Amino acid sequence: GAGVSQSPSNKVTEKGKDVELRCDPISGHTALYWYRQSLGQGLEFLIYFQGNSAPDKSGLPSDRFSAERTGGSVSTLTIQRTQQEDSAVYLCASSPGTRNTGELFFGEGSRLTVL
Amino acid sequence: DAKTTQPNSMESNEEEPVHLPCNHSTISGTDYIHWYRQLPSQGPEYVIHGLTSNVNNRMASLAIAEDRKSSTLILHRATLRDAAVYYCILRVRGNYGQNFVFGPGTRLSVLP
Repeated sequence: GAGVSQSPSNKVTEKGKDVELRCDPISGHTALYWYRQSLGQGLEFLIYFQGNSAPDKSGLPSDRFSAERTGGSVSTLTIQRTQQEDSAVYLCASSPGTRNTGELFFGEGSRLTVL
Repeated sequence: DAKTTQPNSMESNEEEPVHLPCNHSTISGTDYIHWYRQLPSQGPEYVIHGLTSNVNNRMASLAIAEDRKSSTLILHRATLRDAAVYYCILRVRGNYGQNFVFGPGTRLSVLP
């Protein structure tokens, strides 16, 4: 596809369950970002990938959160033992690379609701 | 982290110009100023970016102060579709790469 694709678009889960959120960046984009947006709030940075490596994981809120990226393309954000405070929209963005000065391209987000 | 400060909200009338301010007094010499906007129930979208000189594109203009400690996003003629949250962001360089730090943004309301 032409843009950043995220799935699922909506996920409802029970407290304590694990969830996986997927991000398909724009083809050829080497940089990939995950953000979280709680209701009515701004964007909270979670993690940044350059290729398959994550030089900045500083935003991951706890060790229940992890992310990986394979083949320099698809990324998966995993939340283990979900809690109600994890409910938010999880946004993924990609960018051509470290040397560019251009923009981030965002997906539509995955809305997570933890009951 | 380099931070930006924006008003929480602003209002404009349709078809009038809108000036959205942003303060970034801790900006470093290599930091680019980016603006994004987020329409309801959508992911953010890029609007414009600049380094030192003023910039124009089809969506907006960006005016950057001479000392680079502030900037203003200018929508020349607001439409109802421009109602959104506008984020002013510094593209921060660090050893770990280039994460974009988003503040709370300015919620722009456009009145018909």
